[in-house]
Amino acid sequence: GQNIDQPTEMTATEGAIVQINCTYQTSGFNGLFWYQQHAGEAPTFLSYNVLDGLEEKGRFSSFLSRSKGYSYLLLKELQMKDSASYLCAAMDSNYQLIWGAGTKLIIKP
Amino acid sequence: NAGVTQTPKFRVLKTGQSMTLLCAQDMNHEYMYWYRQDPGMGLRLIHYSVGEGTTAKGEVPDGYNVSRLKKQNFLLGLESAAPSQTSVYFCASRRTSGETGELFFGEGSRLTVL
Repeated sequence: GQNIDQPTEMTATEGAIVQINCTYQTSGFNGLFWYQQHAGEAPTFLSYNVLDGLEEKGRFSSFLSRSKGYSYLLLKELQMKDSASYLCAAMDSNYQLIWGAGTKLIIKP
Repeated sequence: NAGVTQTPKFRVLKTGQSMTLLCAQDMNHEYMYWYRQDPGMGLRLIHYSVGEGTTAKGEVPDGYNVSRLKKQNFLLGLESAAPSQTSVYFCASRRTSGETGELFFGEGSRLTVL
């Protein structure tokens, strides 16, 4: 079956670095998305990876290893506004997104 | 620049009542989706549409119906609401599904069924 696994909750300190991991199993693969969702709001797009390697976008970076079915989202210089849920989603061979349950990131001063 | 707009934002229903959620997008996107989001679970696809006049079932379609009479609108109907349908509903759109373009989400509709 198709499955996405990511930690339920993580805690980090303001100014620090945090890495949120995601493992996936899909029928075919057309890329891996990361979305950010603040409480009570809609998900917003952060990144997309389809090739192995690291994609950097400001304070956020996303990594993909297709052979391992693994991705991570790296957040640097954490700010209080980064407190949110981070959703990992893999696109299968039918271009449908399979979503993880999300990782709630708590930032402490 | 509205993007994806959902109405209503909040609704309380009694078991057995019916209602329709409206999703409108102004980006000329072909693909539109209805998801539900429940605590501790990922977004689950209810129904989707690949273009005007077409609809298809997603992962959890039972108890819901949809229509896409106009390209910009995607309606989600509950014919006889049940407490299990208490959830947050998100509409999303994408230019095409064959490309790996991002989904754009509406703000969500919070439905409570008593």
